[in-house]
Amino acid sequence: AQTVTQSQPEMSVQEAETVTLSCTYDTSESNYYLFWYKQPPSRQMILVIRQEAYKQQNATENRFSVNFQKAAKSFSLKISDSQLGDTAMYFCAFITNNAGNMLTFGGGTRLMVKP
Amino acid sequence: DAGVIQSPRHEVTEMGQEVTLRCKPISGHNSLFWYRQTMMRGLELLIYFNNNVPIDDSGMPEDRFSAKMPNASFSTLKIQPSEPRDSAVYFCASARDENIQYFGAGTRLSVL
Repeated sequence: AQTVTQSQPEMSVQEAETVTLSCTYDTSESNYYLFWYKQPPSRQMILVIRQEAYKQQNATENRFSVNFQKAAKSFSLKISDSQLGDTAMYFCAFITNNAGNMLTFGGGTRLMVKP
Repeated sequence: DAGVIQSPRHEVTEMGQEVTLRCKPISGHNSLFWYRQTMMRGLELLIYFNNNVPIDDSGMPEDRFSAKMPNASFSTLKIQPSEPRDSAVYFCASARDENIQYFGAGTRLSVL
């Protein structure tokens, strides 16, 4: 079975500080894609960042970056210079080729950015 | 592009009534997904279409749920009859071949 685990149900960070959200996953596949989605109070699911498993270089997207450790099956999200608008639920997810396009989601981490 | 469009945003109905949720995927996308989000179970995939054909409906809870995709630009998720335990946020997402799924704003369903 393919699973995604987010061990931090809730986190908080001061505005302008850096925070790291953890994610581990389990799959027997070697080729897959990893994602972080953000769900603000508006409940819209917004893609934050994507990582291809065959790429060793960690993906970055402005203030968002990942630390992808394939051997450890770990995919953490780092948010630098946190802003109030980053307050949201963050979901880690992945897709394997054998699962078609079906995303497997983690349980989410609720992040609160404090002024 | 307007993104994935779902309607209605909110739906309140009484137990036993039929509910139809609608989704317009992003133009050019060939995959469409219906998800359900609840506090207890998180995000669950209900059904997945590729090129308008249902590929995997193993997540559909029971026969009360049905989904259709009559063409590349429209899909419906129907619940008949609805029950209070169906109350949730229902998301539609679409994707092209690069595996990135784009989500709609969701429909919050309340069954009283």
